[in-house]
Amino acid sequence: DGGITQSPKYLFRKEGQNVTLSCEQNLNHDAMYWYRQDPGQGLRLIYYSQIVNDFQKGDIAEGYSVSREKKESFPLTVTSAQKNPTAFYLCASSYSTDTQYFGPGTRLTVL
Amino acid sequence: QKEVEQNSGPLSVPEGAIASLNCTYSDRGSQSFFWYRQYSGKSPELIMFIYSNGDKEDGRFTAQLNKASQYVSLLIRDSQPSDSATYLCAVIRGSGNTPLVFGKGTRLSVIA
Repeated sequence: DGGITQSPKYLFRKEGQNVTLSCEQNLNHDAMYWYRQDPGQGLRLIYYSQIVNDFQKGDIAEGYSVSREKKESFPLTVTSAQKNPTAFYLCASSYSTDTQYFGPGTRLTVL
Repeated sequence: QKEVEQNSGPLSVPEGAIASLNCTYSDRGSQSFFWYRQYSGKSPELIMFIYSNGDKEDGRFTAQLNKASQYVSLLIRDSQPSDSATYLCAVIRGSGNTPLVFGKGTRLSVIA
């Protein structure tokens, strides 16, 4: 099956803990993205990558980090510097920067 | 001025009616426009994209673009209760090679 997978579906973080959200795609897309969605809000861009080993900050990159070592994978680390990380995290991918397709999302909750 | 603006709703329409969802954008150079549907607790799914002025139809959905007025809309004909969701408008700024910018979405409720 072709598509975008995210894991885990639900994630709980303790104060001061770093956590990593996984995003994998087998669509051969060049570009990958991470968004955050808070209740009743639109999507806000955290980081994006248009090519392997390169990525750019989005509008709300503080407290997050990413890597793009493989075309298929774009993991997001939520660090302890992110003070309000409870949100729905969405990964997307596309050919260049055209139509984006989304994974199923990871819901992160701080305990 | 926000880059992409949508009325948050809720927009309520009776079953079988036409639902009209509107979106305005601030970057006059924007070239590509997208509509996504998001059910509660789920990720967005692409409904339509439009690049040229005018109308684009796909089944019960019609996207309308007016670049002079910086306005893009989505019409849903014969609305069904299963169309009840939040509809997100997204725009590629400028000439491209930049990520999508999303509006906050309009919540649509189709009443049976």
